[in-house]
Amino acid sequence: QKEVEQNSGPLSVPEGAIASLNCTYSDRGSQSFFWYRQYSGKSPELIMSIYSNGDKEDGRFTAQLNKASQYVSLLIRDSQPSDSATYLCAVSSGYSTLTFGKGTMLLVSP
Amino acid sequence: NAGVTQTPKFRILKIGQSMTLQCAQDMNHNYMYWYRQDPGMGLKLIYYSVGAGITDKGEVPNGYNVSRSTTEDFPLRLELAAPSQTSVYFCASSGDSGAKNIQYFGAGTRLSVL
Repeated sequence: QKEVEQNSGPLSVPEGAIASLNCTYSDRGSQSFFWYRQYSGKSPELIMSIYSNGDKEDGRFTAQLNKASQYVSLLIRDSQPSDSATYLCAVSSGYSTLTFGKGTMLLVSP
Repeated sequence: NAGVTQTPKFRILKIGQSMTLQCAQDMNHNYMYWYRQDPGMGLKLIYYSVGAGITDKGEVPNGYNVSRSTTEDFPLRLELAAPSQTSVYFCASSGDSGAKNIQYFGAGTRLSVL
C-alpha cells in the first residue's frame, strides 16, 4: 500500500513569512512529485512538480526533493493571505495513477 | 478553455436511488480519473481509464461503475446510493502517465445521500 503522509495542520504563519510544508512517501520507486493547492470548496490545482533531487523554484514557490530520505517539501516565500488553502502532496510511482496525501491546511494571517 | 466539465454541481439522493455523474474533457487526454474527497481527507481514487474502452479499479471502487466509450467522456454510475457515498466527487484528466501525469480537475460534484 503506497502511502503519502502530510501534517494536517493548520500551519499558521504571518503575512510575509516563509511557510514550509512537508510530505513523506513510502514507495521508494516513486518518480514524480506534485503539489496541488485547494481552496475551500474548490477543486485542486497544480502549483509545482518536481522529478529529481534538489530544489525547483517558480516565483514565490520552491519545491525540494530528497529521494534518499523519501520526503518532498514546498516552501512559500513572502506568504500572502491569498495563499491560505489546503496543500495536497501527490506522488507517482511511474504508472497511470497518483497517490495523494490528506493535505496540510495553511493559514496566513494579515 | 472548458477543460474538464462535471455535471451536476450538486445533487441530493435518497437511499437506494441511482444516478450518473457526468465528466467531459476537451483536451484530447487519454487518461481520466474519478476521485472522492471526504471532509478533512485527501483524494481517494475510485476508477480510472487509460483510454477509450479501458477502465480499471482504484482504491475505493465498491458501489460505483464506469464506462469509457469515447475519449472525451467518463461517466461515473452510482447504483443503490448509500449514506456512505455522501462526498465530493472530482473528475480529472491527464495527457500523459508516469512522470508527466499532471492531472487537471473539474469543479466537482457535491453529493448528499439521505
